[in-house]
Parts: sequence; C-alpha cells; structure tokens
Amino acid sequence: EAQVTQNPRYLITVTGKKLTVTCSQNMNHEYMSWYRQDPGLGLRQIYYSMNVEVTDKGDVPEGYKVSRKEKRNFPLILESPSPNQTSLYFCASSLSTGGNQPQHFGDGTRLSIL
Amino acid sequence: QQPVQSPQAVILREGEDAVINCSSSKALYSVHWYRQKHGEAPVFLMILLKGGEQKGHDKISASFNEKKQQSSLYLTASQLSYSGTYFCGTPIKAAGNKLTFGGGTRVLVKP
Repeated sequence: EAQVTQNPRYLITVTGKKLTVTCSQNMNHEYMSWYRQDPGLGLRQIYYSMNVEVTDKGDVPEGYKVSRKEKRNFPLILESPSPNQTSLYFCASSLSTGGNQPQHFGDGTRLSIL
Repeated sequence: QQPVQSPQAVILREGEDAVINCSSSKALYSVHWYRQKHGEAPVFLMILLKGGEQKGHDKISASFNEKKQQSSLYLTASQLSYSGTYFCGTPIKAAGNKLTFGGGTRVLVKP
C-alpha cells in the first residue's frame, strides 16, 4: 500500500531534550516536506527536500533540522525543543517538485513540549 | 505569501450547497484542494492546472480563474461526509514550487 509513515504518532517530552520524528514513504517520491499545524494558522511548511541531499527552508524553519540521506526517509530533528514547538506535525511527499503533483500526507505526529 | 480563503467557516444542512473561495496576491499557475477531517491527515481532492479549468470529485467541484488569481470549491448537495476543513494550496515557482496553504475553511454539515 502506498503510504507515508510517521513515527511516533504522539510524544510528550521536556524542554531541551533532543528528539527526532521519522518520516518514510514507499512511493519513490522525489519531493518531501514537513508541515506544522496550529489552530487558526493552517499548515505551515517547515522544510522541504527536492531530492536526496537537497533540502531547503520553508516558512518556519527556526528550531528544526532535517536530512535527506535516502530517497524514502526525511526525518525532522528538534535539537533543543521548546514549548512553542508544541504542535501537530505532518510529513508529506509528492512525485516531483512540480506544482502539478498531489501531496500525500502522513497521519501526523502530535508533539507536546513541557 | 499565503493564499486567503473565505469564508473561514460554514454550517450547512444536508443537501445544501456551499462555495469556498481561495485567492492569491501572486500569479497562480495551479491550485490544489485538500480536505482534512478532525484528527486526520489532509487528503488530496484535486488539482487545477490552468485557467478556466473545472474539475469534479464526487459532488465536489472546483474552478480556477487564472486572471483573477483565484479558485473556488463548490460543495453541491452536501452530505454529512463533507464535514471537515478544506485547504487550498498554491505552489510558489520562485521557491522550488513549494506548496503554500491557505488558512482553511471549516465545514460542518448537519442532518
């Protein structure tokens, strides 16, 4: 089954404790991205990747890191999480970078930073 | 620049129609529409690739007016399953075609 898989689905942690949210897709998609969703603010892009070893900042990259060492994986790293990073996070992928390709979303990761 | 959606919320009775608008201050060359049910991931509905294009998905259709830099999503004879938040997304050519989403329109269909 074609899918985007995120882990964990839920995480409660404390300020400053490094964490990684994994994202994996099995569709051989070139383009992957991370979004955060906050009430009233919609979906805001954190980082995106157009292919292996090619990443770039989205609209709200501060406090986050990503890497794309393999085509299928695009982990989101919070080196020193803070409470303002409490949010619902979605990973998404699409076949290519063109605006004519649908984005496939993972099921989301709800992070709570205390 | 984030596209602007209107209205922010709409309440319908089953069988009623609604229109959701998405407009941008920048030139659009395609528009995406997604629906997100509460607690779930956004799900792709359709992409409109050129001005004047219209598409349909079940009884949900959309149009794209390139000159006016806007798109509209039409919910016809709404069903309970249409409830959710609808997002439009517009790619930004100057930024690797990254998709920028509007703030969303919450739709509630009541029996």
